[in-house]
Order: sequence, then C-alpha cells, then structure tokens
Amino acid sequence: EDQVTQSPEALRLQEGESSSLNCSYTVSGLRGLFWYRQDPGKGPEFLFTLYSAGEEKEKERLKATLTKKESFLHITAPKPEDSATYLCAVMSGNQFYFGTGTSLTVIP
Amino acid sequence: EPEVTQTPSHQVTQMGQEVILRCVPISNHLYFYWYRQILGQKVEFLVSFYNNEISEKSEIFDDQFSVERPDGSNFTLKIRSTKLEDSAMYFCASRPWTSGFPFSTDTQYFGPGTRLTVL
Repeated sequence: EDQVTQSPEALRLQEGESSSLNCSYTVSGLRGLFWYRQDPGKGPEFLFTLYSAGEEKEKERLKATLTKKESFLHITAPKPEDSATYLCAVMSGNQFYFGTGTSLTVIP
Repeated sequence: EPEVTQTPSHQVTQMGQEVILRCVPISNHLYFYWYRQILGQKVEFLVSFYNNEISEKSEIFDDQFSVERPDGSNFTLKIRSTKLEDSAMYFCASRPWTSGFPFSTDTQYFGPGTRLTVL
C-alpha cells in the first residue's frame, strides 16, 4: 500500500536554530514529491517539486532534497514567520498521497 | 498571480441535506481535484477530473458524492445527503498537464478551502 510518513509530528525551534523535517515514502512509480506549507485554516501552499534522487531545490531559508526513499526539508536560521505545518505529498499515477505533516513552531 | 478560488468559505448544514461546494480552478489548467481534511488529520484525496470525466476516485468518494464541471470555469462537488462525518475542510486543486519529463507542471495549486459543518 502506498504510504507517506512525516517526522517529527511537531517541532519547536528557537529563532535561528536550523533543523530538518523528514518525509519517507513507499509508493510504486513515483512521479514526483511535493512539499507544501499549510497555515491554520488555509489551503496547502506549494513550495517545491522534486522528481529524482539527488535533486535539490532551494527557496529562501528552505532547501528540499530527495533520495530514493525519503526527502528532507532543511530549514536554515528559521524565523517566527516560518511557523506552519509542512506537508509532504507524493504523486503516483494520477493520485497524490499526503503525509500527516510536521507542525513547526519557531519561537522568537 | 492566478489562483484557485472556492465558495463558500464556510457552509453549515443539517444532516441529510444536500450541499454543493464550488471551485473556480486556474483558467488554463486541465486536471481538477477535490480533497478533504478532517480537523487534525491528513489531507485525503477524493477525486480527480480530466476531460469532463472522473479519472480517479478514492474509497471515500462513494455514491453520495458527485462532481461536475457545469461550464468552462466552475468545478463543483455535491454531497447528496450529508452525514456528521462529512464535516471537514474541502479543498479544490488544479494543475495543467503536459507530456514529457520532468513533468514540472504536475504541481497542484490549492484553493483556500470550504469548511463544511454538518449538524
């Protein structure tokens, strides 16, 4: 069964304290792995798409990497405005499978 | 920047009533999706729609649910007889499609959601 697992479930960081979020997946025929940010009561906001192992994408303080079985979202020197839930999703066929997300809180 | 819009933002209904949730996808997109997210749980796929027909649906999408693209811009989700457990945020998403690698247009863009509360 296709599955996406994210860890940790929740993460509290001091402002400026870098860390990584993990997304591990078991799907057949991966077409892409996606990272989204979701603020409370809002829809997921697209961050990155990764297609093949070894690929990396960066945007401001965020960097996403992909291996054959997992992806990491690295957050460098986070700020309070980075507080949100970060969702990982994988595309297999024409379906998207989401993980449960990591709730990130950055404390000033 | 183009965005997906959804109406209403919040819908309250009585159990057993029919509801229609509306979405306006991004205009040049070809694939459309509905997802739901029960409070505190993961985003769950309901259905995908392409070329005026359902292309895939999940086990959640039973006979109580239907989707329609009644005109060139709207995409609707109908729940025929709502249950308490249908209370959730419902998200519409859309994406363009092209063949070939690296499928950069596989990215889905989500609307802000409709919060459905069934009493």
